[in-house]
Amino acid sequence: EADIYQTPRYLVIGTGKKITLECSQTMGHDKMYWYQQDPGMELHLIHYSYGVNSTEKGDLSSESTVSRIRTEHFPLTLESARPSHTSQYLCASSETGEGDYGNQPQHFGDGTRLSIL
Amino acid sequence: KNQVEQSPQSLIILEGKNCTLQCNYTVSPFSNLRWYKQDTGRGPVSLTIMTFSENTKSNGRYTATLDADTKQSSLHITASQLSDSASYICVVSDRGSTLGRLYFGRGTQLTVWP
Repeated sequence: EADIYQTPRYLVIGTGKKITLECSQTMGHDKMYWYQQDPGMELHLIHYSYGVNSTEKGDLSSESTVSRIRTEHFPLTLESARPSHTSQYLCASSETGEGDYGNQPQHFGDGTRLSIL
Repeated sequence: KNQVEQSPQSLIILEGKNCTLQCNYTVSPFSNLRWYKQDTGRGPVSLTIMTFSENTKSNGRYTATLDADTKQSSLHITASQLSDSASYICVVSDRGSTLGRLYFGRGTQLTVWP
């Protein structure tokens, strides 16, 4: 049973539109992440947050932005969608553990599959 | 360059059979290795985690092994079930920075046929 929720699950929208992908978790985790996943490819980290008002860009260059005003909420926004943004977007969260964040399992949402026409 | 390579890319087996998935990595310095299962249309779910000092870890019918010297890991699935059909992703964490980071493999797509 998921404790991290992403909406919408699927979105098909035209070029140039502003899009916000929602992610919420009920576990009280400080750390949250956004990944991009294309078929047959590895997950790429695009944004992460260590807590409220803390956000950082990940490894993959992205034209998206994120905000973290509340612990449980970590939305991702595309100001002007393009066909190159077509992908699956996965949100995850993890506890703050000893050492690096890799020591704690990341709990993933079921993703938003985004298609830009 | 830190990398995680998985093989095979895809695998089809019959229900009830065993299989082994491979993961080779070049991540250094190594912190831990985790196997995730990702069902179609769902997010990944953690199966096992192994640190440098561990060489085997079981979770039900799933057994992961780690050889930190050769930088290889395997995931063995015993008596496969239809519900095992999924992508299995190997993820390696480093401790090269104060924050660490994760390196993802591309996954092995396992299909179990009745």
